[in-house]
Amino acid sequence: GENVEQHPSTLSVQEGDSAVIKCTYSDSASNYFPWYKQELGKRPQLIIDIRSNVGEKKDQRIAVTLNKTAKHFSLHITETQPEDSAVYFCAARGDYKLSFGAGTTVTVRA
Amino acid sequence: DVKVTQSSRYLVKRTGEKVFLECVQDMDHENMFWYRQDPGLGLRLIYFSYDVKMKEKGDIPEGYSVSREKKERFSLILESASTNQTSMYLCASIPYPDRARGYTFGSGTRLTVV
Repeated sequence: GENVEQHPSTLSVQEGDSAVIKCTYSDSASNYFPWYKQELGKRPQLIIDIRSNVGEKKDQRIAVTLNKTAKHFSLHITETQPEDSAVYFCAARGDYKLSFGAGTTVTVRA
Repeated sequence: DVKVTQSSRYLVKRTGEKVFLECVQDMDHENMFWYRQDPGLGLRLIYFSYDVKMKEKGDIPEGYSVSREKKERFSLILESASTNQTSMYLCASIPYPDRARGYTFGSGTRLTVV
């Protein structure tokens, strides 16, 4: 099955700086890559996603890049704000099932 | 907005008890999923269902079973609860054939087995 690895496990950034989270996946048949944000005590929420026919996607301060050849994808958050503090999960899917990374705890220091 | 509702937010059960976790979605989605979330391990798929009365094992099905008698309801069953099943359980759903979209998650059930 699919195996998704996510790094780093924790990330502390100064407010206003950028944050980058990287994921690799194993199944070359995977064609959909969403990112979720989970705030403390809440359910995971989809924040951005990318499909395998696209190399990059941007939504305001958030962007995702995908390198299918290398089987890795990344989340970039620019101009970080305190409300960006959360756990972020990457995921990959080939058919029905999403396989998740272990998560990155992002802390934005004021 | 799609609503995925999990019947209990917190549960405390004793070792050996049979435990039922219920999940209901209100958007006629074909596909439903049960994950468990543990620190440092992310979300791991226990079981999923792509139609009524259909079920497929995920990555960690041991000790669990599921039931989907109606389209809107997907139940996770712990046949004999053990302490290593203490975890956060998340239900999710997506429609078919729009499989290329992210899941909608329920708010989760935190289960403690003592």
